[in-house]
Amino acid sequence: DSGVTQTPKHLITATGQRVTLRCSPRSGDLSVYWYQQSLDQGLQFLIQYYNGEERAKGNILERFSAQQFPDLHSELNLSSLELGDSALYFCASSAGQGNTGELFFGEGSRLTVL
Amino acid sequence: SQQGEEDPQALSIQEGENATMNCSYKTSINNLQWYRQNSGRGLVHLILIRSNEREKHSGRLRVTLDTSKKSSSLLITASRAADTASYFCATVNAGNMLTFGGGTRLMVKP
Repeated sequence: DSGVTQTPKHLITATGQRVTLRCSPRSGDLSVYWYQQSLDQGLQFLIQYYNGEERAKGNILERFSAQQFPDLHSELNLSSLELGDSALYFCASSAGQGNTGELFFGEGSRLTVL
Repeated sequence: SQQGEEDPQALSIQEGENATMNCSYKTSINNLQWYRQNSGRGLVHLILIRSNEREKHSGRLRVTLDTSKKSSSLLITASRAADTASYFCATVNAGNMLTFGGGTRLMVKP
C-alpha cells in the first residue's frame, strides 16, 4: 500500500460528459502529480501541484483541469469527454516539490468513455 | 513525448534466469528511476540512480547508468514468476517533470 488513495477506481461515462477524479496523497507529502496511461500514448505526465500551487505542466488538454486543496488532496476534472480520453489516470505524491526522488503512486482510476 | 525508451518492449524468460532491460534517454538528467507495474495496478518505485553513480544494487536488482551513452540497464537476477510485470525507466527533464518510457513487459514462466 503506497498510502496514496484514488477514487473512484472505475468510472464509465458517455462522450460529452464531465467527471472528477480525486486523490489523497501520502500523509505529509506536499506534491501531487497526475498521469494518464493509455495503450497508444503510454504514461503521460499531466500536471503537478505543490502545496496548493501549480508546479509543472505536461501534456494536459485544455478540457482538463486540476487543483490541490488546502488539505492537500487533489482533484482532476475532465470535461467534454471524448472516446480517446478512456485511460487509467494515476495520481502520485512526493514529499518535496521537485522530481528528484521517489514518487508514490495510487492504484489509479480507470475511465471508460462510451 | 517520452524521454526514456526501453528495450526490449517485451521479454519472456524462464524462472531462475536473469532478465535485462535497457533504457535510453535523450537529454541530461539529474537521476534515473526504475518503476514496476503489475497489470492494471499502480507503479511501484524500485530504485533510483543519480547521475554521478554508475551502478547500484537493491536485493536481486542491479542498475547501471552510462551518462556518456545516455543509457541505463536494469538486471533482475534469479527471476521469479512474481517478477512478471511491466518495468519503466523514468527521468527528470529540464522542465522538472518525471517522464516515463514506454516500458518493458516481462513475463517469467514457472
